[in-house]
Amino acid sequence: NAGVTQTPKFRVLKTGQSMTLLCAQDMNHEYMYWYRQDPGMGLRLIHYSVGEGTTAKGEVPDGYNVSRLKKQNFLLGLESAAPSQTSVYFCASAGGDFTEAFFGQGTRLTVV
Amino acid sequence: AQSVTQLDSHVSVSEGTPVLLRCNYSSSYSPSLFWYVQHPNKGLQLLLKYTSAATLVKGINGFEAEFKKSETSFHLTKPSAHMSDAAEYFCVVTVGGAGGTSYGKLTFGQGTILTVHP
Repeated sequence: NAGVTQTPKFRVLKTGQSMTLLCAQDMNHEYMYWYRQDPGMGLRLIHYSVGEGTTAKGEVPDGYNVSRLKKQNFLLGLESAAPSQTSVYFCASAGGDFTEAFFGQGTRLTVV
Repeated sequence: AQSVTQLDSHVSVSEGTPVLLRCNYSSSYSPSLFWYVQHPNKGLQLLLKYTSAATLVKGINGFEAEFKKSETSFHLTKPSAHMSDAAEYFCVVTVGGAGGTSYGKLTFGQGTILTVHP
């Protein structure tokens, strides 16, 4: 049982480049989330999804887009990367009973 | 809307002394509350959860938390700190599927860094 898997684990981008982060879960969870973690700011919610085909904005959605075409996958896109998007990104998933949210191991993204 | 406030950004204790990490929440609906721990350069691990059953919740590694609706608090405690408890702790709130515009949203506090001195 792999749980929540994020790819890639590390990436360096140049300003203006685009990329997609993939989150995959194998627990048939309804809810999926993308967070960014910056020192002293906790985890801030970027976008989330309450089911296949749905997405919603979190606290810091600007500069990011998401898609949930399949229940098990949640993609986070950066269309034109900026240095302010340098961060550690975490994906999470949760079942409908919310007994626990499961997290991926994180993606460390550096934009130069 | 929902929010969570961790009242201390840093807490420092001596090994063997009690730990108290404070968390207040705001929610228009009945919340579920969690504490997660993150050790340096590691992922997030669930310590314990409150999901409308017993208000005193016991978790892993000797931690426990008490849900107090009247005080909108969910403080994390441990009777005796161990060096291995040094980490960052996050209080998390959700209203699951019940909560209006917050439906499904999982909101983190800013985190409390726990330092344990020998």
